[in-house]
Order: sequence, then C-alpha cells, then structure tokens
Amino acid sequence: ETGVTQSPTHLIKTRGQQVTLRCSSQSGHNTVSWYQQALGQGPQFIFQYYREEENGRGNFPPRFSGLQFPNYSSELNVNALELDDSALYLCASSSLKGGNTEAFFGQGTRLTVV
Amino acid sequence: AQSVTQPDIHITVSEGASLELRCNYSYGATPYLFWYVQSPGQGLQLLLKYFSGDTLVQGIKGFEAEFKRSQSSFNLRKPSVHWSDAAEYFCAVVPEEYGNKLVFGAGTILRVKS
Repeated sequence: ETGVTQSPTHLIKTRGQQVTLRCSSQSGHNTVSWYQQALGQGPQFIFQYYREEENGRGNFPPRFSGLQFPNYSSELNVNALELDDSALYLCASSSLKGGNTEAFFGQGTRLTVV
Repeated sequence: AQSVTQPDIHITVSEGASLELRCNYSYGATPYLFWYVQSPGQGLQLLLKYFSGDTLVQGIKGFEAEFKRSQSSFNLRKPSVHWSDAAEYFCAVVPEEYGNKLVFGAGTILRVKS
C-alpha cells in the first residue's frame, strides 16, 4: 500500500463527454503527477502539480487539465473525450525536496471511451 | 532524441533461473534511475532506485540493478526467479532538468514457466 488513492477505479464514458478523475496523495507529500498508460505502453507524463500550481506539462492537449487542492489532493479533467483517451490513468505522489524524487503510485483509474 | 529503451518486449524464464532485464537511456547527464513493477490491472510498485553513489543497487523482492555510465544502462537482475515475479517491468528515468517527472520505457513482460 502506497497511501495514494485514486477514484473511481473504472469508468466508461461516451466520446465527447467530460470526465474527472481524483487522487489523494500520500501524507506529507506536496506534489502530484498524472500519467496516461495506453494499452501495451509505458506511462506517459501528463502534468504535475506542486503546491497547487502546475509544475510542468507533457505533450498533451489543453483539454487535459488539472487541479491541486490545499490538502494536496488532485483532479484530472479531460474534456471532449476521444476514443484514444481510453487508458489507465495513474497518479503519483511525491515530495519535491532536495534530490529525493521517489514517486508513489496509486492503483489507477481505467477509463474506457466508447 | 532523449529516451528510455527496453529492448525486450517479452521475456520467458523458468522458475529458479536467473533474470536480467535490459534498460538503456539517452540523456546527456546521469539521470535518476528507477525500476517499477506492474501486475495486471494494477498501479506501479517501486523495486529500486539509483540517485548516486554505489552503482550496484539492492531493491525489494530480491532484485538488484547495476548502473553503468559508460553504457548508459541500468539493467535489472534477479538470481532466482519465482512464479510470483511474472509481471510487467518498467525502467524509468528522471532527467536532471525535469525535476521528478518520470520518463518510462515501454516495458518488458516477464513470463515465468514452471
């Protein structure tokens, strides 16, 4: 158990809809990163939030957006869903301090877009 | 292009046999290096990490990895594989300039035959 909780575990949405995924970070961590893992691929970095501000973004369109709350939990929002958005979405919790960059992952949310 | 390469998509080993999973990276500076394991439908569990110092790193579940700067490699090893080791293994790096944003390889699926 990493202490990182994601909800929901599974979700089915229709193309064009919007979805919100949630992540509770591990106690003491101030940074949350989101990754998309398509079937048969490694996770791809979407973006990272540090102390409620976006702190880097991968090669994802603006319809992928996020939030981080004062308790360091986070949301990933995806608008105008496309079939290719079907994937496992992983949240990683960490603490940006010194050189320690170990990230702890949640179990993921499996999103299916039909 | 900067990347992480895991050249073996699938590897099958017999239970009790030794294992080596390969990982190469192409970044100018020495990044932080990680190996994660993922069971089907699950999140990622950290096996071990290398930040600096001793180039042979011990991890959980009897795994170890060796960093070789001259070869830009960070191969994962285990002397005796157990059936429960069957999973997908991901090598990941944090390029120095990216903070703690992970770049993953495509993964290697390990099958263990009895």
